[in-house]
Amino acid sequence: SSELTQDPAVSVALGQTVRITCQGDSLRHYYVSWYRQKPGQAPILVIYGQNNRPSGIPDRFSGSSSGNTASLTITGAQAEDEADYYCNSRDISGDHVLFGGGTKLTVL
Amino acid sequence: EVQLVESGGGLVQPGGSLRLSCAASGFTFSSYWMHWVRQAPGKGLVWVSRINSDGSSTNYADSVKGRFTISRDNAKNTVNLQMNSLRAEDTAVYYCARGYDTSGYTAFDIWGQGTMVTVSS
Repeated sequence: SSELTQDPAVSVALGQTVRITCQGDSLRHYYVSWYRQKPGQAPILVIYGQNNRPSGIPDRFSGSSSGNTASLTITGAQAEDEADYYCNSRDISGDHVLFGGGTKLTVL
Repeated sequence: EVQLVESGGGLVQPGGSLRLSCAASGFTFSSYWMHWVRQAPGKGLVWVSRINSDGSSTNYADSVKGRFTISRDNAKNTVNLQMNSLRAEDTAVYYCARGYDTSGYTAFDIWGQGTMVTVSS
């Protein structure tokens, strides 16, 4: 398969923990990266490789992976975390890059 | 400051051509793979193309292969996307992104602000 599948929408109560998932065959071969995108803005990288956070990303963001499924966990979600989240990986050939369809996170 | 700035977007008729440019600053441009990613209005991110650090290797999404050409000029710190035979479905914001490419993953750690391409008669 050359696709990455994400749930279209997820909600979380303020201060609670939420997990956003990404599924695809290529995830058995490559790590996933995660991006947050707010309306009208470019995406920003929040997790890459084996659970690495770029400078400036809060430690409430973490990543994990098992088999063909990768997860982004936000522990103690904040109002500013409300956004669209995208996963990406390479396809099985390694020559192309895939994005998931995105998950709209609502913080209640 | 590490920065990517796209230019060249606009309105073009179906079948027409457009050339996007991305100017990089604040980092050693010649050390990184560079990518183009697009996003149609109200839709998700879609990878378009990538070029390796010295320009000797390129890859394209199936939807643009044969119509789009990516290139770079390491002396000028720019990466370009020549888009020919444009279709309505190419309408999108086009982002230039710096790739952090390893054997285990590709991550986009720096993004431009995007440039809008509209294909319409």
